[in-house]
Amino acid sequence: EVQLVESGGGLVQPGGSLRLSCAASGFTFSSYWMHWVRQAPGKGLVWVSRIKNDGSDTNYADSVKGRFTISRDNAKNTLYLQMSSLRAEDTAVYYCIRVRGYNGFDSWGQGTLVTVSS
Amino acid sequence: QSALTQPPSASGSPGQSVTISCTGTSSDVGGYDYVSWYQQHPGKAPKLMIYEVNKRPSGVPDRFSGSKSGNTASLTVSGLQTEDEADYYCSSYAGYNTEVVFGGGTKLTVL
Repeated sequence: EVQLVESGGGLVQPGGSLRLSCAASGFTFSSYWMHWVRQAPGKGLVWVSRIKNDGSDTNYADSVKGRFTISRDNAKNTLYLQMSSLRAEDTAVYYCIRVRGYNGFDSWGQGTLVTVSS
Repeated sequence: QSALTQPPSASGSPGQSVTISCTGTSSDVGGYDYVSWYQQHPGKAPKLMIYEVNKRPSGVPDRFSGSKSGNTASLTVSGLQTEDEADYYCSSYAGYNTEVVFGGGTKLTVL
């Protein structure tokens, strides 16, 4: 069974940093591109970032470019999202997602809540 | 403001069919056959219902179908059941720079 388990969310002050982790199991993690998508409370889904299966290529939404860094450790079957210079508008549930093809997000974690507030 | 436009709400009675539209541009929906649809129940993670316009992952009932014409994609739910009541989001690949765009979501009510 495919499982994605996020961790690392919490309350952080504006301007602060946080690192999210996503532990993957039940599939060959190193074969899949992975994404992060977020959802602000009561709002819709917003794409955040993507990383190729071997980590050689990454991409970001304009709203997080230069502040967030996606990475992965295929030996540990773990995906990361390093977030810095956090703003109130970054407050959201962050989902770790496995993708099939270009945007078939076929497996989602349970999400981890990041709250940016003073 | 979301990149893809969906109606905020849709409804139907049990057994009926309902279609949810998703309008984009030639840079996303119209330019690629990479449209997907997600179902989200309150407090839960989204679930993939349709990918690559009209493909169903295993386990998704064939009551759910997808299509696309020009810059507009559609999700049709036939034989509505009470458990279909949820939020539905469309998504499209949008090229390397933008990568993925979502619609604002449609709340489906089964009356």
